[in-house]
Amino acid sequence: NAGVTQTPKFQVLKTGQSMTLQCAQDMNHNSMYWYRQDPGMGLRLIYYSASEGTTDKGEVPNGYNVSRLNKREFSLRLESAAPSQTSVYFCASTNEGGGLRGYTFGSGTRLTVV
Amino acid sequence: KNQVEQSPQSLIILEGKNCTLQCNYTVSPFSNLRWYKQDTGRGPVSLTIMTFSENTKSNGRYTATLDADTKQSSLHITASQLSDSASYICVVSAGGGTSYGKLTFGQGTILTVHP
Repeated sequence: NAGVTQTPKFQVLKTGQSMTLQCAQDMNHNSMYWYRQDPGMGLRLIYYSASEGTTDKGEVPNGYNVSRLNKREFSLRLESAAPSQTSVYFCASTNEGGGLRGYTFGSGTRLTVV
Repeated sequence: KNQVEQSPQSLIILEGKNCTLQCNYTVSPFSNLRWYKQDTGRGPVSLTIMTFSENTKSNGRYTATLDADTKQSSLHITASQLSDSASYICVVSAGGGTSYGKLTFGQGTILTVHP
């Protein structure tokens, strides 16, 4: 099925460990995003990639890095995980560019840092 | 600062009943407003998207309204079903150039439908 695929679905890390969250979309979308969702708060943008080859910081980029590997894939890396990064991470994509098409979200990665 | 506030935080209703969820926003300049449904353990799925000139939009049993003057929106669910149990998220997109990265999310209303 067409959509946004995130891996892994669940992960537990120790403080200081590193990991990469993977995201791939098969809808030929130009723009891809990484959000985090914390209890009682709206989704917050970490990083985004408006098009292949570009990345920009969002609202909460500290502690994260991203790579737009190609048009399909956009990865999020935690170099030294901290308990404050315990969250559910969502990847999304769109061809919006100011239009009215919807954003397609993945199913999320639930990350716990102990 | 752009903000989206939703009420109530949570709501419990009986199957078959109607309900209305509220969204107030202070995003400027305004481009469009979206309602998403998020099932537990899943990503958000789009229900409706409305621009400044649209007052109402329906998607099956879901009807969204928008009052751009008062910066308020509502989502009305008719004849609720057990499958409507989810979090409903109001999202406002800012205008001005491209909309890349300019979505402001509400915290969501958790709806529980009991048989």
